[in-house]
Amino acid sequence: DAKTTQPTSMDCAEGRAANLPCNHSTISGNEYVYWYRQIHSQGPQYIIHGLKNNETNEMASLIITEDRKSSTLILPHATLRDTAVYYCIVRVRGHTNAGKSTFGDGTTLTVKP
Amino acid sequence: DTGVSQDPRHKITKRGQNVTFRCDPISEHNRLYWYRQTLGQGPEFLTYFQNEAQLEKSRLLSDRFSAERPKGSFSTLEIQRTEQGDSAMYLCASSLTLLNVAGTDTQYFGPGTRLTVL
Repeated sequence: DAKTTQPTSMDCAEGRAANLPCNHSTISGNEYVYWYRQIHSQGPQYIIHGLKNNETNEMASLIITEDRKSSTLILPHATLRDTAVYYCIVRVRGHTNAGKSTFGDGTTLTVKP
Repeated sequence: DTGVSQDPRHKITKRGQNVTFRCDPISEHNRLYWYRQTLGQGPEFLTYFQNEAQLEKSRLLSDRFSAERPKGSFSTLEIQRTEQGDSAMYLCASSLTLLNVAGTDTQYFGPGTRLTVL
């Protein structure tokens, strides 16, 4: 699985959009981009995933560049409860031998009042 | 909704003791994964099952670690002769993975079992 690079930490004002970048320059054509977040002492929570098109769900939007070498997770109106560590991972989906997710150290997002 | 559950949530043990953790995946999810997470790090893959079959094991899974999923439903992770370096959060995840079917294969995580070895 490809390696990802994320900033160590970011701050965001409550109510503003939080834009979290991720670089995955060695991504393969069949690898998806997944985002998870982890609030202190809890298990990672799935947020969103995509292959090459932009995606949106009730939690967030995912913007993937045309060359797929980077992506941005957007939380449109950040709240204090969005303070967490955000992980960007890339992995093959559904392949017979594809299973594990390879996590980096993530971005610690702090939403401030 | 019924997510992935893990038991116990916390375990304190003395060095040299054996411990066993249980994971109950989301109903009808065919894949089950174990990860380990130490403080300040992201989760690290340990092993995963498709139904009863253990398909991949990480080099992190030493001889003292064993995982089973006997009936393709719940799974157990046992650590024998625990060491202080085993202190970590042990995470379980599950997925419904159907090859070549869109919308499947997302991994959903449980709350974890925090192990402290004294």
